Amino acid sequence: DTAVSQTPKYLVTQMGNDKSIKCEQNLGHDTMYWYKQDSKKFLKIMFSYNNKELIINETVPNRFSPKSPDKAHLNLHINSLELGDSAVYFCASSIPWTGTKETQYFGPGTRLLVL
Amino acid sequence: AQTVTQSQPEMSVQEAETVTLSCTYDTSESNYYLFWYKQPPSRQMILVIRQEAYKQQNATENRFSVNFQKAAKSFSLKISDSQLGDTAMYFCAFMKLRAGDNNDMRFGAGTRLTVKP
Repeated sequence: DTAVSQTPKYLVTQMGNDKSIKCEQNLGHDTMYWYKQDSKKFLKIMFSYNNKELIINETVPNRFSPKSPDKAHLNLHINSLELGDSAVYFCASSIPWTGTKETQYFGPGTRLLVL
Repeated sequence: AQTVTQSQPEMSVQEAETVTLSCTYDTSESNYYLFWYKQPPSRQMILVIRQEAYKQQNATENRFSVNFQKAAKSFSLKISDSQLGDTAMYFCAFMKLRAGDNNDMRFGAGTRLTVKP
C-alpha cells in the first residue's frame, strides 16, 4: 500500500492558470508537509500542517495556499502560475516528536511545468 | 538557522566497491536527527538511514552505514558493495527535535552518485 500518494504525477499548464496538487497519507500521521525541489535539485520546505493548523510558511508567495480537509490530506493550490513555479513538488508526512522515533515519509513527487 | 552542506556535487564508483558521501551541518540545537535520503530517477524520496544525535553508535542499514561525528558536525554515508541500483541523488538532511514544536527538515544540495558496471 502506498504510504504517501500525490496526484497528479505530471502537470503541464499555461502561465496564469490556477492548479491544485493533491496529497494523501494513510500512515495516520499528524503532520504533513509540502516541499519544492527546483531545477538544481535543492529541496526547500514550503508548508506544514499539524492538526489543521499551519505551522510553517517559509516566505512562500501567497499564490500558494495549502488546504487540509482532514488529517490525511494536504492539498496545494497555486493561483496565477508563473514560469518560476516549474519544479517538482513533494508532499511528506510525519508524527510530531513525542520522544519516539520520527522520520518524514515522502510522496512520489509532482512535476509541474509552467509554459 | 540550520544549514546542511554537501560538498560533492557528483561522485562515481565502480560496482562492488565502497564509496563515501560527505555531509556537514551547522546547528545550535542539542537534540536532532540526521538522515540520508536517496532520490533515484523516479524522483521518489527514499529514506536510506537515520541517526539520532544523542546516540554515539553509528547507524547501519545493510550496505549503508554512517560516520557520525557530533563535535565536528559531520555525517558521512558509506555505501559498501555498490550496486547499479544505488545510482541516484543522495540528500543529507537535518531535523531538529523539540517537544511540542514542528520539526521541519533541512536538506543539503545533494550528491549525484553514479555506479559504473
